[in-house]
Amino acid sequence: KAGVTQTPRYLIKTRGQQVTLSCSPISGHRSVSWYQQTPGQGLQFLFEYFSETQRNKGNFPGRFSGRQFSNSRSEMNVSTLELGDSALYLCASSLVGGVDEQYFGPGTRLTVT
Amino acid sequence: GNSVTQMEGPVTLSEEAFLTINCTYTATGYPSLFWYVQYPGEGLQLLLKATKADDKGSNKGFEATYRKETTSFHLEKGSVQVSDSAVYFCALITTDSWGKLQFGAGTQVVVTP
Repeated sequence: KAGVTQTPRYLIKTRGQQVTLSCSPISGHRSVSWYQQTPGQGLQFLFEYFSETQRNKGNFPGRFSGRQFSNSRSEMNVSTLELGDSALYLCASSLVGGVDEQYFGPGTRLTVT
Repeated sequence: GNSVTQMEGPVTLSEEAFLTINCTYTATGYPSLFWYVQYPGEGLQLLLKATKADDKGSNKGFEATYRKETTSFHLEKGSVQVSDSAVYFCALITTDSWGKLQFGAGTQVVVTP
């Protein structure tokens, strides 16, 4: 079974721009969670989607948004990028969420200049 | 709220040494507990899990036992290899977390030949 895939793997953007990151979960998994990883803050939860519905959201500004499609693929969008948004963005999929184990993709490394 | 505390790294060991990484947690309800490993430039890999008290998770020579009385989930390996050099994350999730894994800060392990 193919693992979680994320595209693109690397991105360089300028302050003020917006960016869209994509995540394809493991086949059959319907829950997708997103995390931001930085050296200073560690791993922080952004949001979780299940069946196209956001079920949980972390403590991030409204510039961070996401969605999930009917095939369970998910995207996250960051508008009006700031230097502090530079991070590794990880998505993880699980069967139905809850306390299921989550399987992570390789991440998208976003650099904001 | 939920929280996870891990011992700080880096932990530097010689090959074939015994490894212990301490992890304690605070959680509402009865969490499921996980250890993830992250190699340089990669996403997180699920190493092992335990879903109830006294469960022992094991994989690739690593073990951890869910201790409810001490709220701990320490990771151990009897004989480390250079290839075990990575960052290890302890994490928990509860039934009301809605897809949000709570991570510890991570412990870097460096194994020298």
